[in-house]
Amino acid sequence: EAGVTQFPSHSVIEKGQTVTLRCDPISGHDNLYWYRRVMGKEIKFLLHFVKESKQDESGMPNNRFLAERTGGTYSTLKVQPAELEDSGVYFCASSQDPGQGGYGYTFGSGTRLTVV
Amino acid sequence: GQNIDQPTEMTATEGAIVQINCTYQTSGFNGLFWYQQHAGEAPTFLSYNVLDGLEEKGRFSSFLSRSKGYSYLLLKELQMKDSASYLCAVRDLLGGGKLIFGQGTELSVKP
Repeated sequence: EAGVTQFPSHSVIEKGQTVTLRCDPISGHDNLYWYRRVMGKEIKFLLHFVKESKQDESGMPNNRFLAERTGGTYSTLKVQPAELEDSGVYFCASSQDPGQGGYGYTFGSGTRLTVV
Repeated sequence: GQNIDQPTEMTATEGAIVQINCTYQTSGFNGLFWYQQHAGEAPTFLSYNVLDGLEEKGRFSSFLSRSKGYSYLLLKELQMKDSASYLCAVRDLLGGGKLIFGQGTELSVKP
């Protein structure tokens, strides 16, 4: 089966601009997670979708970040306007049943965002 | 609060054994994961523990003690390709299965 796909793989934008990241989960996976790793820090949870609904968005840094998952398939994460501290690697992961067992999460390769 | 600690860097020799420790203090616990991540690639699943004890999978083993909030990942017969970042992550009991990560341990395997 195809894995989790993220694009772009890299993005360099100027402060104040808008960027949209996309994640295509594994087909049939209802659960989709966004994480972010800022340089030198641990990977941190941003939010969790179940199908098209936001289950938990407690990790979203502020209202400059907007995530959507229309139709419960792919998801987008928009940053508007981007700030320097938004630079980092944004990971997406999907799961069929995240509460059971250890095999449920598949990660994408991430989008490296650089805000200059 | 949520806190997961692991060493930042480790170095080991090809063919040797290395143990990467992880201690955690989290408000909930529903399993501990170890992932391997090569630079620029996706984290890939290595092991999972939810009960105390040792789980063995080929050259990789992982141990968990829930009472001590402690886990380790053991890598045997190290190969150069094992040079990577190793991530310890705890699954939250509530909150839909999100993972709480440690900072990762950068392992360098030398000839």
